[in-house]
Amino acid sequence: AQKVTQAQTEISVVEKEDVTLDCVYETRDTTYYLFWYKQPPSGELVFLIRRNSFDEQNEISGRYSWNFQKSTSSFNFTITASQVVDSAVYFCALSEALYGGATNKLIFGTGTLLAVQP
Amino acid sequence: ETGVTQTPRHLVMGMTNKKSLKCEQHLGHNAMYWYKQSAKKPLELMFVYSLEERVENNSVPSRFSPECPNSSHLFLHLHTLQPEDSALYLCASSQGGGAYEQYFGPGTRLTVT
Repeated sequence: AQKVTQAQTEISVVEKEDVTLDCVYETRDTTYYLFWYKQPPSGELVFLIRRNSFDEQNEISGRYSWNFQKSTSSFNFTITASQVVDSAVYFCALSEALYGGATNKLIFGTGTLLAVQP
Repeated sequence: ETGVTQTPRHLVMGMTNKKSLKCEQHLGHNAMYWYKQSAKKPLELMFVYSLEERVENNSVPSRFSPECPNSSHLFLHLHTLQPEDSALYLCASSQGGGAYEQYFGPGTRLTVT
């Protein structure tokens, strides 16, 4: 069965520290997609990144970077020089195709609560 | 205006009430979703609609009834709920297919008394 594990329930850092959020997934599919979402206190999930299983290049977007390693089934997320505004719950998700691929469902991990202290 | 809107943002209802949650997407997507987010639990997919046809019903009790009249609107009709149904209900939309990310609305915080 498909599964996403985020072993870190809560992380607390001081502003300007770097922090890495771990994500480990399980799937039997050879083609799959991984996502990261941010959920600030307002509640709305904000899409951060999508990665397909054939692209193992690391990606950097400003202070955010992602490390995808198929060999260890991991898709970790690093925030460099963290800021108070980064405080949120972060979810990793794995996509599973539905209805012959016409749509998909996201299988979420339990999330990691990141608290950045000033 | 955000791409996916939900109303109401907060709802308190008794167990005998009937209410509906509304979701509207302004992104031209063809798939819409309802998720339930309870404390200490992963987000749970409830329903999926693709091109206005329900393609997934994730063993959701019949007291939750979805409706998708067109590709831009999605409703969740609620009746005779239980206190354990109190949660954040999130609506999402996507272009469809496994390659596409889902965009979420702000959610409706439901409290069943």
